[in-house]
Amino acid sequence: GAGVSQSPRYKVAKRGQDVALRCDPISGHVSLFWYQQALGQGPEFLTYFQNEAQLDKSGLPSDRFFAERPEGSVSTLKIQRTQQEDSAVYLCASSLPVGTIYFGEGSWLTVV
Amino acid sequence: AQSVSQHNHHVILSEAASLELGCNYSYGGTVNLFWYVQYPGQHLQLLLKYFSGDPLVKGIKGFEAEFIKSKFSFNLRKPSVQWSDTAEYFCAVSHSGGGADGLTFGKGTHLIIQP
Repeated sequence: GAGVSQSPRYKVAKRGQDVALRCDPISGHVSLFWYQQALGQGPEFLTYFQNEAQLDKSGLPSDRFFAERPEGSVSTLKIQRTQQEDSAVYLCASSLPVGTIYFGEGSWLTVV
Repeated sequence: AQSVSQHNHHVILSEAASLELGCNYSYGGTVNLFWYVQYPGQHLQLLLKYFSGDPLVKGIKGFEAEFIKSKFSFNLRKPSVQWSDTAEYFCAVSHSGGGADGLTFGKGTHLIIQP
């Protein structure tokens, strides 16, 4: 597609449930980022991939958060044993090795 | 660690008013600077960016921003706003290292334009 595609757009999870969020980056973009945006806040960096290699995961808030990009294209952000503080919009973004970063519409996660 | 500060969290203006949104960053090295806009219910879109060269950069929809290195600032301006400019505006910075480094965002400014 023409832009970064994320699914699901909206997810309601019960506390303790595992969730998986998918990102399809722009074709040919080697760099892929995940951000977390809490209500009323700016996006905060979670993790960064260059192709299939996860080069930076310093922003992942706990070991319940895990991201992968096994073939260097589609990426999945997995959150295990979700908690209420995980409620946020999860943004995926992609770019060429150098240049503008393009964002998807985000996956809105609500943990109840 | 780098950080971005946006001075105004909420701004309300009338149509045709002039706009200036403040953005300051803290980082000791060379940076790339961005303004993103998020319209209600939509994804983040790039308004403009500064990598190098002329410190006055022009973006889409009549927006411009000026990089003042001595003040660590990158303020966003528009001479005459429209109702359709109602949105959330985010200033962001990345390292100027030649790679697609992650962005550090400010907390955003919610702009409301009254018709």
